[in-house]
Amino acid sequence: KAGVTQTPRYLIKTRGQQVTLSCSPISGHRSVSWYQQTPGQGLQFLFEYFSETQRNKGNFPGRFSGRQFSNSRSEMNVSTLELGDSALYLCASSLGQGGSSNQPQHFGDGTRLSIL
Amino acid sequence: GQQVMQIPQYQHVQEGEDFTTYCNSSTTLSNIQWYKQRPGGHPVFLIQLVKSGEVKKQKRLTFQFGEAKKNSSLHITATQTTDVGTYFCGRSTLTFGKGTMLLVSP
Repeated sequence: KAGVTQTPRYLIKTRGQQVTLSCSPISGHRSVSWYQQTPGQGLQFLFEYFSETQRNKGNFPGRFSGRQFSNSRSEMNVSTLELGDSALYLCASSLGQGGSSNQPQHFGDGTRLSIL
Repeated sequence: GQQVMQIPQYQHVQEGEDFTTYCNSSTTLSNIQWYKQRPGGHPVFLIQLVKSGEVKKQKRLTFQFGEAKKNSSLHITATQTTDVGTYFCGRSTLTFGKGTMLLVSP
């Protein structure tokens, strides 16, 4: 069974640009969550999608948005990029709705975003 | 909002020594999950605890969930260099601790 796939693996952008990251969950998983990981800050929750609906949202500005498609694949968009957005963005999928279920999360390898 | 604190943030041990990381929540947790992230890798699910006072073992790893379901711990007996990584605790999707980075010297 293929794992969670994130594309691209690496991305370099400049301030003010926008970026779209993609996540394909494990087959059969309907929940997709996104996290930002920076040194010393751990895993900061961005948002969670289940059945094409955003179910939970973390404390990030509106520049961060996402969506989920009918095949459970998800995209995350960041507009007007800032230097502080440089981070590893991780996507995780699970069987149930993560926020209220006891299902373990399966993470992808992440997208390393660098802002110049 | 619900916060999960982990201590210590970092620990360096000699191979063969024991290691413990603690996870504390300001509110009662419905469950607690533990993940391990190797350097350069992604978090990998280790275990989930659900019941008050629950203790689970995986070889040299022992996981405990507090009676009040507000804290948890991960204890590694006789660490090995393969244990190197950052250990995260969290409640399902929304809340993760900042993790404890473990370095093991041979």
